[in-house]
Amino acid sequence: EPEVTQTPSHQVTQMGQEVILRCVPISNHLYFYWYRQILGQKVEFLVSFYNNEISEKSEIFDDQFSVERPDGSNFTLKIRSTKLEDSAMYFCASSEDGGTADEQYFGPGTRLTVT
Amino acid sequence: QKEVEQDPGPLSVPEGAIVSLNCTYSNSAFQYFMWYRQYSRKGPELLMYTYSSGNKEDGRFTAQVDKSSKYISLFIRDSQPSDSATYLCAMISNTGKLIFGQGTTLQVKP
Repeated sequence: EPEVTQTPSHQVTQMGQEVILRCVPISNHLYFYWYRQILGQKVEFLVSFYNNEISEKSEIFDDQFSVERPDGSNFTLKIRSTKLEDSAMYFCASSEDGGTADEQYFGPGTRLTVT
Repeated sequence: QKEVEQDPGPLSVPEGAIVSLNCTYSNSAFQYFMWYRQYSRKGPELLMYTYSSGNKEDGRFTAQVDKSSKYISLFIRDSQPSDSATYLCAMISNTGKLIFGQGTTLQVKP
């Protein structure tokens, strides 16, 4: 069964460093998402992406964050200068057509630890 | 008022019990309601998906939506230790983003 994959599974970085989290969405999907979950808190929407453009972003997704689809398979989330409060699980998701009735499939997540 | 509220638990039940998990929401425009299951250190996995009000059954799981009360429920019959996980309710906004509840941690004891 097709699945969303994410690498690395765990990333440790120092405050102020740049990190890139990678995702490979399901191959025929067109809509891509990043969510994050701070330990003990709810899963929060960060950004949605379609046709090489951001469709929607949350207040969390400030200028320190960017997303890119550098080729036909990868979808990346970059944090330019990490802060301690960026420590969280980051989940990538994809859906076939992005509609309100369309299922979003989640990857296993990347645990980001900022020290 | 939070968009989606869910009691985080934890909820501990004996094997075979009926489990009831609930969420309330504030935005009457929500039309699609989901329950995700999340095992420790894994991504959310879609369990049940309902549209508008009513019930939907899938094996031991029943999802219920009451739009007039802005209340959704997930019932698990004959609960098993393998059902031990965190259950997240979620709604889809009109822009396609998911809005999650806090998640309820369930432990089913053998």
